[in-house]
Amino acid sequence: DGGITQSPKYLFRKEGQNVTLSCEQNLNHDAMYWYRQDPGQGLRLIYYSQIVNDFQKGDIAEGYSVSREKKESFPLTVTSAQKNPTAFYLCASNAGHIVRGANVLTFGAGSRLTVL
Amino acid sequence: DQQVKQNSPSLSVQEGRISILNCDYTNSMFDYFLWYKKYPAEGPTFLISISSIKDKNEDGRFTVFLNKSAKHLSLHIVPSQPGDSAVYFCAASARDMRFGAGTRLTVKP
Repeated sequence: DGGITQSPKYLFRKEGQNVTLSCEQNLNHDAMYWYRQDPGQGLRLIYYSQIVNDFQKGDIAEGYSVSREKKESFPLTVTSAQKNPTAFYLCASNAGHIVRGANVLTFGAGSRLTVL
Repeated sequence: DQQVKQNSPSLSVQEGRISILNCDYTNSMFDYFLWYKKYPAEGPTFLISISSIKDKNEDGRFTVFLNKSAKHLSLHIVPSQPGDSAVYFCAASARDMRFGAGTRLTVKP
């Protein structure tokens, strides 16, 4: 079955450490996204990529970095510069803006990061 | 700048009655509007969408209404069922997709 796989599901980090969250999709989607969910704030866009080797900052990119070397993969690194990294992180993908229609996002199951 | 707003954090309705979830947006460039449903510790799943050129889209018990002049959309669930209890996110898309803060719907048996 096609879908998005995020790993790890739970991750604990000490302050000052960088961590990388994995996101892999086998849907042949061009576009991939990272969102962060905090209580009462919905989903906020961190970074998105419409095509391989290209990505754009979302609303809260500071303290995060991404890469898009392969169409299937869009890893997110939470750096020590991120002041409040404890959150639920969601990766998503869709066919991108080229395709007419609602461009529905397919989401992974999420990764919960806790900074100790 | 929150471009998509859901001003009601929670809603409780009785089974069999109508649930109405509301959403407002500020960006006129959005061309599609979507509703997603989310259970705890899972990713959101797509529920229903509407194009900016339409004012209504219906899918079974779910209907989305769009009022472009008011920059407002709503999701109607009729009849509501206990299994509908979840957090509902309104989203709007242009080059990317922006989400509201969500409304937690509780349907009581």
